[in-house]
Amino acid sequence: AQSVAQPEDQVNVAEGNPLTVKCTYSVSGNPYLFWYVQYPNRGLQFLLKYITGDNLVKGSYGFEAEFNKSQTSFHLKKPSALVSDSALYFCAVRRRGILTGGGNKLTFGTGTQLKVEL
Amino acid sequence: NAGVTQTPKFRILKIGQSMTLQCAQDMNHNYMYWYRQDPGMGLKLIYYSVGAGITDKGEVPNGYNVSRSTTEDFPLRLELAAPSQTSVYFCASSDPTDSAGGYTFGSGTRLTVV
Repeated sequence: AQSVAQPEDQVNVAEGNPLTVKCTYSVSGNPYLFWYVQYPNRGLQFLLKYITGDNLVKGSYGFEAEFNKSQTSFHLKKPSALVSDSALYFCAVRRRGILTGGGNKLTFGTGTQLKVEL
Repeated sequence: NAGVTQTPKFRILKIGQSMTLQCAQDMNHNYMYWYRQDPGMGLKLIYYSVGAGITDKGEVPNGYNVSRSTTEDFPLRLELAAPSQTSVYFCASSDPTDSAGGYTFGSGTRLTVV
């Protein structure tokens, strides 16, 4: 079984300040980890993913995420938040490798609403 | 390249009515998925398919049916709509040859059952 926890329903940050959106996961074996962003009335858009190697992953729009195996975490970060970053963010996990018949299913967290204010 | 296309974008159904949510992708992805999104609940997998003619249940399949007659299309059918099926529905696809690949999502269908 695999699961994702996003402990914060909402994160508020002032524009220009750094932001962190937290994610912890549980999966048997090694993980593939993903962050997606959803703007109002839109589908989910891919931000970044961790496959292997460097624990710091850089993605779109200046976002990055840090993989921490010992803490089973994959927190999303950005050094300087913008009002336009306000959106719903989802973390997702899948066990590494090709699972025959498994369909490469992703398990998503419940989402964190990020609000960036002036 | 359209990616994943969902129709309709919005729909209001009366209790007991039926409808089909359409999903089509033009990326030749064998894997396709249907999720529902409810506030505070994240995305829950309804059904998925690993190729034409092959479908399987996800976490919340009750009240839904799917078929996969072609690689491109993966429609989701609601036979007897209930208020509990009021939700936003997302279709997604992925490439099984990319083991680290994520999903490409459609823009969603917002369904209200009254």
